[in-house]
Amino acid sequence: GDSVTQMEGPVTLSEEAFLTINCTYTATGYPSLFWYVQYPGEGLQLLLKATKADDKGSNKGFEATYRKETTSFHLEKGSVQVSDSAVYFCALIRNVLTGGGNKLTFGTGTQLKVEL
Amino acid sequence: GAVVSQHPSRVICKSGTSVKIECRSLDFQATTMFWYRQFPKQSLMLMATSNEGSKATYEQGVEKDKFLINHASLTLSTLTVTSAHPEDSSFYICSARDLTDEGYEQYFGPGTRLTVT
Repeated sequence: GDSVTQMEGPVTLSEEAFLTINCTYTATGYPSLFWYVQYPGEGLQLLLKATKADDKGSNKGFEATYRKETTSFHLEKGSVQVSDSAVYFCALIRNVLTGGGNKLTFGTGTQLKVEL
Repeated sequence: GAVVSQHPSRVICKSGTSVKIECRSLDFQATTMFWYRQFPKQSLMLMATSNEGSKATYEQGVEKDKFLINHASLTLSTLTVTSAHPEDSSFYICSARDLTDEGYEQYFGPGTRLTVT
């Protein structure tokens, strides 16, 4: 079945440091890939997504590129802020454009802590 | 973006009682909603898929008689935890699916923290 593997956290960085959170996936066909962010005590928010190979999703300074050859979707940010402290989830879904029972498969989440 | 609300945000109940959690899509109609359960420091586990006007589809291992789901309208789905026990204590998150120009997109509620004493 489909699966998503993320690096274990917590990841602790100083403000303005470079961030990489690794994500690899296993899925049949051509899934769409997502990064969600969960701030403390809140639900998930979509951070960015990519729907086909070589697409780059970006939002709020975060980027991730859909790499089919390595089945990866690593999340990066050039300069993190304290306000980026949260849990980040990588996820995939197949056949998103047709909907109909397709389900998100989530990774286990990676906690990011950014310190001054 | 689209907004999904949940109520209540926190609830404490005694063992053996039932608790109802509401999930509403505030500015769009959702024919499909999802209920997830999240354990501390773990990922989201899909419990069931709720389709408006029909019975929910439960994931393997989820007791349908314990976790009652009703999706009576295009903007409201409810999850009722019946005869709750301490092991049901968890963070429950709902999600509603909307059809956008780019295809289906899921929006998540803020979650409900259930504590069973």
